[in-house]
Amino acid sequence: EAGVAQSPRYKIIEKRQSVAFWCNPISGHATLYWYQQILGQGPKLLIQFQNNGVVDDSQLPKDRFSAERLKGVDSTLKIQPAKLEDSAVYLCASSGGLANYGYTFGSGTRLTVV
Amino acid sequence: AQKVTQAQTEISVVEKEDVTLDCVYETRDTTYYLFWYKQPPSGELVFLIRRNSFDEQNEISGRYSWNFQKSTSSFNFTITASQVVDSAVYFCALDRGSTLGRLYFGRGTQLTVWP
Repeated sequence: EAGVAQSPRYKIIEKRQSVAFWCNPISGHATLYWYQQILGQGPKLLIQFQNNGVVDDSQLPKDRFSAERLKGVDSTLKIQPAKLEDSAVYLCASSGGLANYGYTFGSGTRLTVV
Repeated sequence: AQKVTQAQTEISVVEKEDVTLDCVYETRDTTYYLFWYKQPPSGELVFLIRRNSFDEQNEISGRYSWNFQKSTSSFNFTITASQVVDSAVYFCALDRGSTLGRLYFGRGTQLTVWP
């Protein structure tokens, strides 16, 4: 079974530029998550999708972050404009739901804003 | 509200020592799940164990063991005879267990095992 795919693996941008991250979850997993992990901290949920609908985006800074999951499969997370404090690892995870419990994480995208 | 506390920020041991990583959680739910993940320097989160709130049996897997105590809201992780390859950041996490669950992570414990 293929894992959760994320790209790019690394990204360096200047502040005020825009950036986009891509995630392809495990086939058949209805729930997709984006987590932000700042250095020295645990991952924090940014947004949770169930199929192509948003379940929880209460921690997403909506003035600069946006995310979509078209057709309930792939997802894109965008930051525009980026700030220095957005430097972090962005982790995508997917889950098959309670009947097939567990979370699978991608390798993450390490973003550095300079 | 859900909360996970890992009070140990960093732990250093010498190879073959036993080490215990502490995890204390807070939740008002009666049904929940607890997890441990390992994050090596490469960055991916590696699943180690999932335990539901109704199963307080301790679990052992090779050199790893977990002690779940609901009375103290703790889910501690012990590595016996530690090895250099165990060096990583370890995260404890809580899930409410609903069909639309999500993970609440602690801050993590950086474990360094010296040869």
